[in-house]
Amino acid sequence: DIVMTQSPDSLAVSLGERATINCKSSQTVFYSSINKNYLAWYQQKPGQPPKLLIYWASTRESGVPDRFSGSGSGTDFTLTISSLQAEDVAVYYCQQYYSTPRTFGQGTKLEIK
Amino acid sequence: EVQLVESGGGLVQPGGSLRLSCAASGFTFSSYWMSWVRQAPGKGLEWVANIMEDGAEKYYVDSVKGRCTISRDNAKNSLYLQLNNLRAEDTAVYYCARDHNDRWDERGLDYWGQGTLVTVSS
Repeated sequence: DIVMTQSPDSLAVSLGERATINCKSSQTVFYSSINKNYLAWYQQKPGQPPKLLIYWASTRESGVPDRFSGSGSGTDFTLTISSLQAEDVAVYYCQQYYSTPRTFGQGTKLEIK
Repeated sequence: EVQLVESGGGLVQPGGSLRLSCAASGFTFSSYWMSWVRQAPGKGLEWVANIMEDGAEKYYVDSVKGRCTISRDNAKNSLYLQLNNLRAEDTAVYYCARDHNDRWDERGLDYWGQGTLVTVSS
């Protein structure tokens, strides 16, 4: 199984500042034949289901604000929120869908400082 | 509008069984793989199982293999999860989610239901 490890476990950032969350996979999630990383990021607010933010490591889902961006390839990935808004308080998860079982990171709780 | 509505959760004793359902609408259900994902109270997300468009292929996380069966009825636009021999550690909110319709264009789980709570306790 591919193990996904996020860092940090929690993060406090001031409004308008940058937030960065890291995700590392225990093996590559890059499909060289199609030049895509099978890595997604989700946002989960309290009492709500997760919401897909980013797929293929760096492609924003339709309707997701452009302050959210994803980067990385192979085994190391980053989710960046360029200017934190109050509504971004949530838990963020990375997930690999390169192989079964699909595995999630443990989550990063993002709060306002 | 894509909608996924889970039902069937509840309180069950250890060793008991439960069948969860997910009613899908707003998309061509028979063209998509579907997944179940669970979340224990206060914990992270755990992918549980997924099923191919026609039900021919099914995959499970090791922790539920042999105790859990995913199935679907494309005529009814419905997804199911049969949970048997339930344990306290199966207590969680169970979400159904739309998976992919093309392995080489897979984009993660793009739509989720609101979830149904399963509590395993005596």
